[in-house]
Amino acid sequence: KQEVTQIPAALSVPEGENLVLNCSFTDSAIYNLQWFRQDPGKGLTSLLLIQSSQREQTSGRLNASLDKSSGRSTLYIAASQPGDSATYLCAVRMATDSWGKLQFGAGTQVVVTP
Amino acid sequence: EAQVTQNPRYLITVTGKKLTVTCSQNMNHEYMSWYRQDPGLGLRQIYYSMNVEVTDKGDVPEGYKVSRKEKRNFPLILESPSPNQTSLYFCASSFGIGKNTEAFFGQGTRLTVV
Repeated sequence: KQEVTQIPAALSVPEGENLVLNCSFTDSAIYNLQWFRQDPGKGLTSLLLIQSSQREQTSGRLNASLDKSSGRSTLYIAASQPGDSATYLCAVRMATDSWGKLQFGAGTQVVVTP
Repeated sequence: EAQVTQNPRYLITVTGKKLTVTCSQNMNHEYMSWYRQDPGLGLRQIYYSMNVEVTDKGDVPEGYKVSRKEKRNFPLILESPSPNQTSLYFCASSFGIGKNTEAFFGQGTRLTVV
């Protein structure tokens, strides 16, 4: 059974520091891994999608890496801003049974202080 | 604008009163699914649909029904809601389930059953 773990559960950094968020998964049979941002009580906003055959994806200040063989992904957010405060979720798209189900981690709650 | 639209955003109802949460996407996506999000349990899949008239159970289907009569719509039906169905619900869609398929989520429906 696929298990997705995000460490740390919470993170507080001063503005300007780089953020490093970790995601690990136990079953490497995945189609892709997607990072989301969730603001309190709000929906999920897609940040980056990394296909299983890719090593990394970049969008602006965000960079995500994927090491499928070791079951790890890392989201880097450069030069953090207070507006980056949110919960960040990773999800893997299952490639075996479960017909493409997204298996989510519990999230990392990020606070960026001015 | 490409989007997944859920309605209502907030709903308070009484035990046993049937309700429907609507979900509509304008991206011609084939794959749609429902998730619920609960503190400490994360996001869990309720039902999914591969295409019109093709639906199947996810991890927590008890107490829910779905239908997919049109490609764009995927309503979630609670025939007899109970307090343990109080949760934040999300509808998601994607073009398919392959490695380059990005999932898009609605803004969520916060349901309270009293």
